Amino acid sequence: GENVEQHPSTLSVQEGDSAVIKCTYSDSASNYFPWYKQELGKRPQLIIDIRSNVGEKKDQRIAVTLNKTAKHFSLHITETQPEDSAVYFCANGGGGNKLTFGTGTQLKVEL
Amino acid sequence: DAGVIQSPRHEVTEMGQEVTLRCKPISGHNSLFWYRQTMMRGLELLIYFNNNVPIDDSGMPEDRFSAKMPNASFSTLKIQPSEPRDSAVYFCASSLGGLTQETQYFGPGTRLLVL
Repeated sequence: GENVEQHPSTLSVQEGDSAVIKCTYSDSASNYFPWYKQELGKRPQLIIDIRSNVGEKKDQRIAVTLNKTAKHFSLHITETQPEDSAVYFCANGGGGNKLTFGTGTQLKVEL
Repeated sequence: DAGVIQSPRHEVTEMGQEVTLRCKPISGHNSLFWYRQTMMRGLELLIYFNNNVPIDDSGMPEDRFSAKMPNASFSTLKIQPSEPRDSAVYFCASSLGGLTQETQYFGPGTRLLVL
């Protein structure tokens, strides 16, 4: 079945630095790759997504890259701010509407 | 739109009791998902429905768990009897459910504690 590996599990950066989170997947039929942000005690919320016909997508300080050949995709956050501190989940989906989520990355942005 | 609505937001119960969690998806969404989140196991998909029909329940832990979707605007997840290891946050999510993958919108979750 589908499997998504996410690294690192924790990430600490200084304010203003960049943060990168990587995920790998096994299902070659995957064609949808969303990223969710979950603040403490809150629900996961979509921050950016990419489909398999695109290699990169950017939204202000957030970007996602996809390498279908290598079966990995990454989240890039530039100029990190304290409010970026949260748990970030990657996910992927293929046939049907089901998503498989990664194990999450706890990002801490230090002042 | 009010978004996905879940009730109750918190539930504390004793082992052996029946627990019923409720979800109202976003109006017009045809897919509904039940997830369980714990520190140990992360975010797990329990079951999902398309057009009120269960499509994949392979994530349901065991027979103590059951889910229904009697109409497009309501779903329940029931645990009977509940056990302490069921303690978790249960999220309901919905999406448009078209031919292509669409964004899943999560509800606020139900925090369940089984004593």
